[in-house]
Amino acid sequence: SAVISQKPSRDICQRGTSLTIQCQVDSQVTMMFWYRQQPGQSLTLIATANQGSEATYESGFVIDKFPISRPNLTFSTLTVSNMSPEDSSIYLCSVERSGRGETQYFGPGTRLLVL
Amino acid sequence: RKEVEQDPGPFNVPEGATVAFNCTYSNSASQSFFWYRQDCRKEPKLLMSVYSSGNEDGRFTAQLNRASQYISLLIRDSKLSDSATYLCVVSYGYGNKLVFGAGTILRVKS
Repeated sequence: SAVISQKPSRDICQRGTSLTIQCQVDSQVTMMFWYRQQPGQSLTLIATANQGSEATYESGFVIDKFPISRPNLTFSTLTVSNMSPEDSSIYLCSVERSGRGETQYFGPGTRLLVL
Repeated sequence: RKEVEQDPGPFNVPEGATVAFNCTYSNSASQSFFWYRQDCRKEPKLLMSVYSSGNEDGRFTAQLNRASQYISLLIRDSKLSDSATYLCVVSYGYGNKLVFGAGTILRVKS
């Protein structure tokens, strides 16, 4: 498994502002992902964070709204831009070591409430 | 139609009961299959991978039927600590994209 930390663990933000969430892994991993879990819902993949290149976004998610960085093999950030109450959700990062379709491990999540 | 469909439950069972969850997936290109467990206000954690030959881990047995695109999870001798949401998950495509079912809620009661 992998030890994954996320910062902040929770935040309350005003609409129109932006929040950057950090994900740190205790060892180098090939793949890092960002998911959203809206209240009462299951997880939805936002994007794959690619090291050294632009993130790959899923349908319905765009870079202007959710810019992602991945400067190295142990760290990634997700920014939620120009927030609205509809962005209130749990944001989770996950990692997969090998890139060969093996198990993904999840960080503890960041709980975001937008007022 | 959702890519991964599960009965949302809740399944309310007494301790010691056997309970089975089912899941169907729509993408025949799916490559890997998992059951994750998510406790309230926690992140999902891998329970077990699912293989065509079936696999067992203690009280938990998972089965995969590729022809029917169907996955199951059987829990025997349920414990109070088994109460959680069980997520059926399939992966496919570049970079092991995971697609989650909506989850099945299990409540084990004494």
